[in-house]
Amino acid sequence: NAGVMQNPRHLVRRRGQEARLRCSPMKGHSHVYWYRQLPEEGLKFMVYLQKENIIDESGMPKERFSAEFPKEGPSILRIQQVVRGDSAAYFCASSRTGPQGTQYFGPGTRLLVL
Amino acid sequence: KQEVTQIPAALSVPEGENLVLNCSFTDSAIYNLQWFRQDPGKGLTSLLLIQSSQREQTSGRLNASLDKSSGRSTLYIAASQPGDSATYLCAVPPGGGADGLTFGKGTHLIIQP
Repeated sequence: NAGVMQNPRHLVRRRGQEARLRCSPMKGHSHVYWYRQLPEEGLKFMVYLQKENIIDESGMPKERFSAEFPKEGPSILRIQQVVRGDSAAYFCASSRTGPQGTQYFGPGTRLLVL
Repeated sequence: KQEVTQIPAALSVPEGENLVLNCSFTDSAIYNLQWFRQDPGKGLTSLLLIQSSQREQTSGRLNASLDKSSGRSTLYIAASQPGDSATYLCAVPPGGGADGLTFGKGTHLIIQP
């Protein structure tokens, strides 16, 4: 049973470009969470999705950020018009049950905005 | 709003020592508490999950305890090894509000050979 997969592992973008981060949850998991880890900061929750639905996006910036988890395919975290402050590690986690079940984390995507 | 604090922020000890990492949380209405390990440039590895009804959980040389009433958890590492060097994070799930885990900032542990 493969773990949570994220790609790309590293992503470099110039200011103003778009970044698309992908997350494939563990087999049998329908709950996906995105977290951001800024340099020298702890992990912060961004958004929680369950197949085709955004359940909670209270941790996600209101502008430029969006997330989806389609019926088929991976979950996507999309950042439009990236700025240097978006440089961070973005982690995806999945769980079989809801947020109070064990969450399994992917290796992360490290985004660098030049 | 739940806040999670980890003390110490960093710890360096000689190989073979037993050590304790601390985690405190402000809202004691938690469902469980999870300890993770993060290696540099890598993702998180789940070490132990303690349900709110449990007092402790053990896995190999690791033992985690939970005292909900005082809002504290400890991670005990016995007979530390250089391979234990990593950042250790504790996290609690939502009791209300946001649906993601709330993390502490971690304890950066270095085990000297």
